Amino acid sequence: EVQLVQSEAEVKKPGESLRISCKTSGYRFSSYWISWVRQMPGKGLEWMGRIDPSDSDTNYSPSFQGHVTISADKSFSTAYLQWSSLKASDTAMYYCARQYTGYDDYWGQGTLVTVSS
Amino acid sequence: QSVLTQPPSVSGAPGQRVTISCTGSSSNIGAGYDVQWYQQLPGTAPKLLIYVNNNRPSGVPDRFSGSKSATSASLAITGLQAEDEADYYCQSYDSSLSGYVFGTGTKVTVL
Repeated sequence: EVQLVQSEAEVKKPGESLRISCKTSGYRFSSYWISWVRQMPGKGLEWMGRIDPSDSDTNYSPSFQGHVTISADKSFSTAYLQWSSLKASDTAMYYCARQYTGYDDYWGQGTLVTVSS
Repeated sequence: QSVLTQPPSVSGAPGQRVTISCTGSSSNIGAGYDVQWYQQLPGTAPKLLIYVNNNRPSGVPDRFSGSKSATSASLAITGLQAEDEADYYCQSYDSSLSGYVFGTGTKVTVL
């Protein structure tokens, strides 16, 4: 059974760093891209970017390029989304998803990130 | 600001048919890129509903169907049920952004 299990909710202060995770199981991790999607409170879905775990090739949405870093560790079948300096505007639910030939067929449960002083 | 535009809301009585439009441009749907549809029930993660324009994953009822033409796509729900009350999003690839984009989202209300 394909599963994507995300790390628990986080509460951080502005300026702090953060890395959230997406642990996969039930399929060959290196064979599928992993996407990250943001959903701000009460808002729609926004595609942030994706990573090919086989070689760590990444694509970012222009809206998120330079603001976050997507990485993956094949040893742990886990993908990561990282911030070096959080802002209040980063408060949102973040989802990872397995991407199969252009569509996201399995999704994680989401990680709620709250940034507040 | 999304490059795929959807109506904010649609509604219908149980058993009725509703459609949701997804309007794009020559850099996404009009360029021939496939369209996906996702359903997001309240408080849950999105779920793939339609892939590659008109294909349903295993387990998705055949009440849901997708279509695509020119620079737009549509999702139709026939025999509307209370459990269909959710937010629906279209998605495609955009060559000018070199990445994927979601539609603005549509809330379906069952009257």
